[in-house]
Amino acid sequence: AQTVTQSQPEMSVQEAETVTLSCTYDTSESNYYLFWYKQPPSRQMILVIRQEAYKQQNATENRFSVNFQKAAKSFSLKISDSQLGDTAMYFCAFLIQGAQKLVFGQGTRLTINP
Amino acid sequence: DTAVSQTPKYLVTQMGNDKSIKCEQNLGHDTMYWYKQDSKKFLKIMFSYNNKELIINETVPNRFSPKSPDKAHLNLHINSLELGDSAVYFCATKDSPGTEAFFGQGTRLTVV
Repeated sequence: AQTVTQSQPEMSVQEAETVTLSCTYDTSESNYYLFWYKQPPSRQMILVIRQEAYKQQNATENRFSVNFQKAAKSFSLKISDSQLGDTAMYFCAFLIQGAQKLVFGQGTRLTINP
Repeated sequence: DTAVSQTPKYLVTQMGNDKSIKCEQNLGHDTMYWYKQDSKKFLKIMFSYNNKELIINETVPNRFSPKSPDKAHLNLHINSLELGDSAVYFCATKDSPGTEAFFGQGTRLTVV
C-alpha cells in the first residue's frame, strides 16, 4: 500500500522568509504523480503544485517549487518570499498513474507571521 | 460558476438521524470521490465512482451509502448518525486520463 508521511505537524516563519515543507512517500510503483494541496481557513482544497515522477525537472509555480528526489522518495515544497496568505494546512498527496486513489499525508500547519 | 458544489456547507443533526450530502460537478469529469477529514485534519478516501459505478469502497460502515444518479452527481447518505461521524466531508472529481483532483468546499457535519 502507498503511504505518504509529513513529519512536520506545524511550522511557523516570518513574512518574506523561505520555508520548506517535507514529504516522503512509499511505493513500489515507478509511474506516479505527487501533489501539494493547500487548505486555508476557508476549508477549500487548492492545488499548489504537481510533479510527474517521470520528469527529472522539479516543478515550479511562481513562489512555489518542489525538490523531488525519486530515489529517496522525497517531495518537499519550498515557499519563497512567504506571504500572510500562505497561512494554511499543506497536504502532500500521491497518485499512481492510471489509478483513482489519491492518498494524502497528515498535513503540515503553516503559519506566516507578520 | 462553481466547478464542484456541495450542499449543505454546514449540517448539525442529532444522533440517530439520517442525512444526505449532495455533490454536483460541471467539469465533465468521469470520476468522483468522497473524502472524510477528521478533527486532526487527516483526509481519508471513502468512496470513488467512475461513470456512475463504484470503484473504491474503503472499509466504510454500511451506514454510509453513496449514490450516483448520473455522472455529474455523487450524493452521500448517512443512516443512524453517530457522534464519531462528525467531520468535514469533501467531494472531489478527477478526469480519468488526468491527474488533478478538484475539490468541493466541504460539508462540516456535526452530530450532537
